[in-house]
Amino acid sequence: GIQVEQSPPDLILQEGANSTLRCNFSDSVNNLQWFHQNPWGQLINLFYIPSGTKQNGRLSATTVATERYSLLYISSSQTTDSGVYFCAVGYNTNAGKSTFGDGTTLTVKP
Amino acid sequence: NAGVTQTPKFQVLKTGQSMTLQCAQDMNHEYMSWYRQDPGMGLRLIHYSVGAGITDQGEVPNGYNVSRSTTEDFPLRLLSAAPSQTSVYFCASSRGSSPLHFGNGTRLTVT
Repeated sequence: GIQVEQSPPDLILQEGANSTLRCNFSDSVNNLQWFHQNPWGQLINLFYIPSGTKQNGRLSATTVATERYSLLYISSSQTTDSGVYFCAVGYNTNAGKSTFGDGTTLTVKP
Repeated sequence: NAGVTQTPKFQVLKTGQSMTLQCAQDMNHEYMSWYRQDPGMGLRLIHYSVGAGITDQGEVPNGYNVSRSTTEDFPLRLLSAAPSQTSVYFCASSRGSSPLHFGNGTRLTVT
């Protein structure tokens, strides 16, 4: 199956700082998603981005499918950005059968 | 529009007991999946379904059964609970080339 590696495993920032999270995957994929798991355990989809670049407010993501990596950028971080960020990938365009990385735990300090 | 609803939110079982985790979605999504999340780890796929009457195994299917008789419901059955099945269980649904929508999870403890 596909191997997914996320880095760094932990990240501590001061409020207002920028950060970049990375997701490497071992095979060609047709779906890639970024999720945020908040401190209450809820999983919120941030991006569905098998290739290209997308932006949503302070967050943006870029996937370079040919080089098998994706980056999640968080600008002007806020304490509410704290939590775990997961990357998930799959061979099919439908996301129902996805493989998750172990996540990056982000802590934003006031 | 409730999205993906999981019940119960918490459950404690004794070793050897059986139970069913319920999952329902009201978005008419054809794909539904069950994942488990262990401490400090990502989610691992247990079973998934591409439509009513069609299910398949994921990465960690042993000890779990599923069925999908309707588009809306995808229950997960633990046949004989073991302490290794202590985890948080998430149900998800999706449609076509769109992202996964997750329920809020069921926290299961097996003693």
